[in-house]
Amino acid sequence: TQLLEQSPQFLSIQEGENLTVYCNSSSVFSSLQWYRQEPGEGPVLLVTVVTGGEVKKLKRLTFQFGDARKDSSLHITAAQTGDTGLYLCAGGDYGQNFVFGPGTRLSVLP
Amino acid sequence: DAGVIQSPRHEVTEMGQEVTLRCKPISGHDYLFWYRQTMMRGLELLIYFNNNVPIDDSGMPEDRFSAKMPNASFSTLKIQPSEPRDSAVYFCASSLGKAIAGNQPQHFGDGTRLSIL
Repeated sequence: TQLLEQSPQFLSIQEGENLTVYCNSSSVFSSLQWYRQEPGEGPVLLVTVVTGGEVKKLKRLTFQFGDARKDSSLHITAAQTGDTGLYLCAGGDYGQNFVFGPGTRLSVLP
Repeated sequence: DAGVIQSPRHEVTEMGQEVTLRCKPISGHDYLFWYRQTMMRGLELLIYFNNNVPIDDSGMPEDRFSAKMPNASFSTLKIQPSEPRDSAVYFCASSLGKAIAGNQPQHFGDGTRLSIL
């Protein structure tokens, strides 16, 4: 059974600070996705990474897929209150399995 | 375009009652997923369908849970009888293509918040 771990579990920072959250596994994934979930809503896809070492940028968000395809990171520059939410990583393997991590709950304070 | 539509948004009922959750996926999507989310267990995949056929129901917790997809535009998740430990937010998601391998995004509805008293 594949498992994804995310750290930290909770993170509270001031507006304007930078932060990095992590997604780790002992398994190799064919691709990895990051979702953000706001209160009262379903998760919304932010990015999909498919190549080991791949880096993708989405405005102030930078996503990296580890070279070994077992881990990923999300870096947010100059966090804003609108970045508050639950960040979920989700990995798919070559055998049609798909699993979500437990999430990092981010709170950006004004 | 309309997203995934779930109903009801909130459901409060007494234990022992039957609960039916409904989902309308995005038109044209061929995969449909049911998830349950709690603080303790996070987002858990319960069952998924491909072209209306159940493919993997290994996440369904007990025989009290059942899911159907009678056509491409409608699915239900039923709990009978319901128990307090079933209280959670239940999400439906749909995707086009092999989302289960992570190559396609899953589009989630806004969920049904279920409380069993």
